[in-house]
Amino acid sequence: GAGVSQTPSNKVTEKGKYVELRCDPISGHTALYWYRQSLGQGPEFLIYFQGTGAADDSGLPNDRFFAVRPEGSVSTLKIQRTERGDSAVYLCASSFIGGHEQYFGPGTRLTVT
Amino acid sequence: DQQVKQNSPSLSVQEGRISILNCDYTNSMFDYFLWYKKYPAEGPTFLISISSIKDKNEDGRFTVFLNKSAKHLSLHIVPSQPGDSAVYFCAAIISGSARQLTFGSGTQLTVLP
Repeated sequence: GAGVSQTPSNKVTEKGKYVELRCDPISGHTALYWYRQSLGQGPEFLIYFQGTGAADDSGLPNDRFFAVRPEGSVSTLKIQRTERGDSAVYLCASSFIGGHEQYFGPGTRLTVT
Repeated sequence: DQQVKQNSPSLSVQEGRISILNCDYTNSMFDYFLWYKKYPAEGPTFLISISSIKDKNEDGRFTVFLNKSAKHLSLHIVPSQPGDSAVYFCAAIISGSARQLTFGSGTQLTVLP
């Protein structure tokens, strides 16, 4: 079946602009996660959704970052007033509730110039 | 403070030989561990996992060993193949919590033909 998909695959934006990154999880997976990976590092947790609600947003670095999942499927990560330090690969993952294994999408490479 | 550490950024192994990738953790609350493999421009792919109630899990050429007292786990690949060349991430999770994965920084494995 289809895996996790993320769009766009690449996004270049200017400092101060607003961006939206989209994630389409595996069908039937009710848990959805966002991670951020900087060069030479492992992915770092941002936010976790169980269904439509954010069960844990403790990884969001500041209030410029926000994510939604209004219908319990597709999720959008929103970044306001982007800064150069936001440049990274943003990864989305999904899993069954109670499942340990998370399945990742290919990521969106965000570059803030 | 890194709770999951992979102290070897890179490892080179001859084709057909054994590859051993190591991972250490500090948080004794972690009770499930996973290995992911990542090719360039792709998301991490789940490889193998182990629960803290076990000390070994095997799947084909891949075996994960867990030493809880030492807070150490390792991934053995035998025999190594050139297609195994990738970045390998160790990850840990606390079951029953928000279930975020905590990743190490990765080890680049190169299998030489």
